Amino acid sequence: GDSVTQMEGPVTLSEEAFLTINCTYTATGYPSLFWYVQYPGEGLQLLLKATKADDKGSNKGFEATYRKETTSFHLEKGSVQVSDSAVYFCALPNQAGTALIFGKGTTLSVSS
Amino acid sequence: DAGITQSPRHKVTETGTPVTLRCHQTENHRYMYWYRQDPGHGLRLIHYSYGVKDTDKGEVSDGYSVSRSKTEDFLLTLESATSSQTSVYFCAIRSDRERDTEAFFGQGTRLTVV
Repeated sequence: GDSVTQMEGPVTLSEEAFLTINCTYTATGYPSLFWYVQYPGEGLQLLLKATKADDKGSNKGFEATYRKETTSFHLEKGSVQVSDSAVYFCALPNQAGTALIFGKGTTLSVSS
Repeated sequence: DAGITQSPRHKVTETGTPVTLRCHQTENHRYMYWYRQDPGHGLRLIHYSYGVKDTDKGEVSDGYSVSRSKTEDFLLTLESATSSQTSVYFCAIRSDRERDTEAFFGQGTRLTVV
């Protein structure tokens, strides 16, 4: 079935470091792909999405490119800030489109 | 912010008691979801609804039931709470089932079963 695999965390970085969080997927066809972010004590919110192959989603300095050749959607940011400390989830819709399937989440901790 | 309200936000209950969590939306979205979040498991789907009185099971539905009698309300009931149901529960909504449609999440309910 459809699934998402994220790199295990936690990821610990210093401020201004480069961030990559890996996400690979298994899916039928070419579904939209999503990155969600969960700040401490809050619910999830959409960070960015890409709706077709080779699309790049971007928001708040984060980017992710939909790579169908490698079935990947890695999240990157060139210079992280302390305020980026959160849990990041990669997600895709199930084949029927009735629900979103989430990865296990990657915790990012950024120190000053 | 999407209009989603979960209640209660925190609850402590005893093993064997029934518990109902409520999700209320003001967006008139068709789809509503209950997920649970646990360390090492991420978010797992419990049940979802695709309309009034229309519900279906997710991957971890055992021990849970749901009801949706109005478009805006989706209730999750633990018939007889167990310690394994200690978790953070999130409600989410989506407007339709198109595969590029994002979900919006509530703030979560932290449930502790003692």
